[in-house]
Amino acid sequence: GDSVTQMEGPVTLSEEAFLTINCTYTATGYPSLFWYVQYPGEGLQLLLKATKADDKGSNKGFEATYRKETTSFHLEKGSVQVSDSAVYFCALSSNSGYSTLTFGKGTMLLVSP
Amino acid sequence: GAGVSQSPSNKVTEKGKDVELRCDPISGHTALYWYRQSLGQGLEFLIYFQGNSAPDKSGLPSDRFSAERTGGSVSTLTIQRTQQEDSAVYLCASSLGLAGGRNEQFFGPGTRLTVL
Repeated sequence: GDSVTQMEGPVTLSEEAFLTINCTYTATGYPSLFWYVQYPGEGLQLLLKATKADDKGSNKGFEATYRKETTSFHLEKGSVQVSDSAVYFCALSSNSGYSTLTFGKGTMLLVSP
Repeated sequence: GAGVSQSPSNKVTEKGKDVELRCDPISGHTALYWYRQSLGQGLEFLIYFQGNSAPDKSGLPSDRFSAERTGGSVSTLTIQRTQQEDSAVYLCASSLGLAGGRNEQFFGPGTRLTVL
């Protein structure tokens, strides 16, 4: 079945540091890929997505590129802020049918001033 | 416009009791999903509704779990004879029911269930 593996946290960074959170997947066919973010005390929010190979999703300074050859969708940000502290989830959905999401286990990011 | 809402936000119950969790999706969203978020397990899919029908119940962990949706809107997840391993945050999401990457799911804030 489909699965998503992402790096375990917590990831602890100082403000303005470079962020990478690794995500790899296993899926049949060509899934769509997503990053969701969960801020403390809030629900999951879609951060960015990519629907086909080589697509780059971007939002709020975050980027991720759909790499079919390495089955990866790593999340990056050039300069993190304290307000980016949250739990980040990588997810995939099939491009057919009703598209339930398969999630990774989440990576907590803690950014200190 | 209102987002997905869930109630209660927190529920503490005793082992063996039944609980009902409610989800109000975004108006006009035909698809509704339930997920469970537990420590160490991440987010697990439970059940999917399209309209009032549930074509995929494959994620329900046991026959103690059931869900229904009425009027193509509100959904209720029921857990009978709760066990301590049922303790988790139960998340509801809704979407327009499109295929693949166009099917953005919008999540509610979740119900935190604690079984003592």
